Amino acid sequence: AQSVTQLDSQVPVFEEAPVELRCNYSSSVSVYLFWYVQYPNQGLQLLLKYLSGSTLVKGINGFEAEFNKSQTSFHLRKPSVHISDTAEYFCAVSEANQGGKLIFGQGTELSVKP
Amino acid sequence: DAGVTQSPTHLIKTRGQQVTLRCSPISGHKSVSWYQQVLGQGPQFIFQYYEKEERGRGNFPDRFSARQFPNYSSELNVNALLLGDSALYLCASSISGGSSYNEQFFGPGTRLTVL
Repeated sequence: AQSVTQLDSQVPVFEEAPVELRCNYSSSVSVYLFWYVQYPNQGLQLLLKYLSGSTLVKGINGFEAEFNKSQTSFHLRKPSVHISDTAEYFCAVSEANQGGKLIFGQGTELSVKP
Repeated sequence: DAGVTQSPTHLIKTRGQQVTLRCSPISGHKSVSWYQQVLGQGPQFIFQYYEKEERGRGNFPDRFSARQFPNYSSELNVNALLLGDSALYLCASSISGGSSYNEQFFGPGTRLTVL
């Protein structure tokens, strides 16, 4: 069955340090992969997406992610975080030919400290 | 351009009552999806509607229903509310409903509290 696992529920990090948020998925068919960010009391905003082609995907706010098919992973990275990056981050997948159904992970709370 | 809008922002109901949540998609978007986000968890897919037809349904009981109107806005109805229905209900719109790769744009959500 399709599922998404975010390996860390909370990630504390100091400002200007690098960060990696981990995401693994399981699916028997081709998938599209997404990372969303949710700021307090707001909806979800798309950070980046992998549809096909280059496995390294760049998104907004300096974030990037790498698709690894053999490890079924799609980890999110940023080389230097800011206080404003403090938020909840969600990894999501959709299976090809399944329309708009997104399957989300449980979320990773990124806390950036000064 | 206006994004996805949802109303109301907050709602408090008691067990057994019924609730209707509303969503207006981005202009030009024909697909609307609904998600339930319980505190501390990721969103769970409830429904997708495209061109007024149901295109997908998640693992939710029949107490949950939805519809899409000719102007592509949508309503989510929940009957016989339970305490466990307390959650943030998110609406997302996309240009079409048939492609898994179309970006979904999310609204700010409706916070439902069931007492």
